[in-house]
Amino acid sequence: EVQVLESGGDLVQPGGSLRLSCAASGFSFESYAVSWVRQAPGKGLEWLSTITGNGDYRHYADSVRGRFTISRDNSKNTVSLQMNSLRAEDTALYFCAKDQVSGDGHINFDYWGQGTPVTVSS
Amino acid sequence: DIQMTQSPSSLSAFVGDRVTITCRASQSISMYLNWYMQKPGKAPKFLIYSASTLQNGVPSRFSGSGSGTDFTLTISSVQFEDFAIYYCQQSYTAPVTFGQGTRLEI
Repeated sequence: EVQVLESGGDLVQPGGSLRLSCAASGFSFESYAVSWVRQAPGKGLEWLSTITGNGDYRHYADSVRGRFTISRDNSKNTVSLQMNSLRAEDTALYFCAKDQVSGDGHINFDYWGQGTPVTVSS
Repeated sequence: DIQMTQSPSSLSAFVGDRVTITCRASQSISMYLNWYMQKPGKAPKFLIYSASTLQNGVPSRFSGSGSGTDFTLTISSVQFEDFAIYYCQQSYTAPVTFGQGTRLEI
């Protein structure tokens, strides 16, 4: 059974940093891209970042490029999102999601975690 | 970036009704269109990929169609558990983008 579990969400001051983690199991972890998607309170879904299975390629939304960094440790089946220079508008529920197909370049999110909340406020 | 526009933004229905949600892309995305369902406080659930293929375990009352720029999600006979927010998502090219969502309510 595929499982995805996020952690690390917290209350942080504007300008601060936070590191989110995503632990996955139940599939060949190193073969699949993993992404972060967020949802601000009462709003829709916003894709943030994707890392390929071997970690060679990383993609970012314009809204977080230069502030957020995605990484993965295939020996631990984890993906991390380092978030720096946080702003109030980064307040959201952050989801980790697995790509459906290995390496075809088209991102379909077939398994999601339950999300971890991030609040940026003074 | 490819813009995804859903209509309507909200939709009222009764159990047993047939409902259709539309998603339009700002440029052609072939059939790289996915649908998700989200209930309050929960993670999105993957329903349909490649415009019309049901994910394993999704009831057959759900169906998807379309190609190019215009797509639809249809629920043939709405059940109580289907009341949720539905999102489309294009996977044609980076950056991945979602529609704004359609709220299906009683």
